[in-house]
Amino acid sequence: GDSVTQTEGLVTLTEGLPVMLNCTYQSTYSPFLFWYVQHLNEAPKLLLKSFTDNKRPEHQGFHATLHKSSSSFHLQKSSAQLSDSALYYCALNEKITFGAGTKLTIKP
Amino acid sequence: EAAVTQSPRNKVTVTGGNVTLSCRQTNSHNYMYWYRQDTGHGLRLIHYSYGAGNLQIGDVPDGYKATRTTQEDFFLLLELASPSQTSLYFCASSDPLGVNTGQLYFGEGSKLTVL
Repeated sequence: GDSVTQTEGLVTLTEGLPVMLNCTYQSTYSPFLFWYVQHLNEAPKLLLKSFTDNKRPEHQGFHATLHKSSSSFHLQKSSAQLSDSALYYCALNEKITFGAGTKLTIKP
Repeated sequence: EAAVTQSPRNKVTVTGGNVTLSCRQTNSHNYMYWYRQDTGHGLRLIHYSYGAGNLQIGDVPDGYKATRTTQEDFFLLLELASPSQTSLYFCASSDPLGVNTGQLYFGEGSKLTVL
């Protein structure tokens, strides 16, 4: 069946360092992938969506590229900010299936 | 601004109790979803609906019933609540393109504790 795997449950980084959160998927069809962000005591919100034509979506300094050859959609940012501390979910568009989430904590 | 409202926001019940979580959306969306959120498991889909009177089974449906009475209203029913159903529940809505755009609109969540 369709599934999403996020290997890191917790990631702690120092402000200014690059961010990379991993996401791999299994899908029967050619899927759309998404990244959601959930700040403390808030609901999840859409951060990024994959494109079908190899374009790289960007939002709030974050970007991700869909690699069908490796079934991956890793989230990246060149320089972490304190405000990036949140829970990040990778999701697949078949019934909007979510991964287990990665809690990102940025320290000064 | 799209709006999804959940009630109650907090609920405490005992094992075997009967609980109904309500969700109303004013987005004119066809699709509505119920998720539960648990540490280590992320957001897991319980039930979803394509429209009034329609019900689809999600990935973790056991112990839950749902009913979509109107386009706006989607209810989640726990008829014999168990401690394993202690969780944070989110309702969401989307238009039919939402499965491709990823644009789900979430409610603020309902925290359920089963003692």
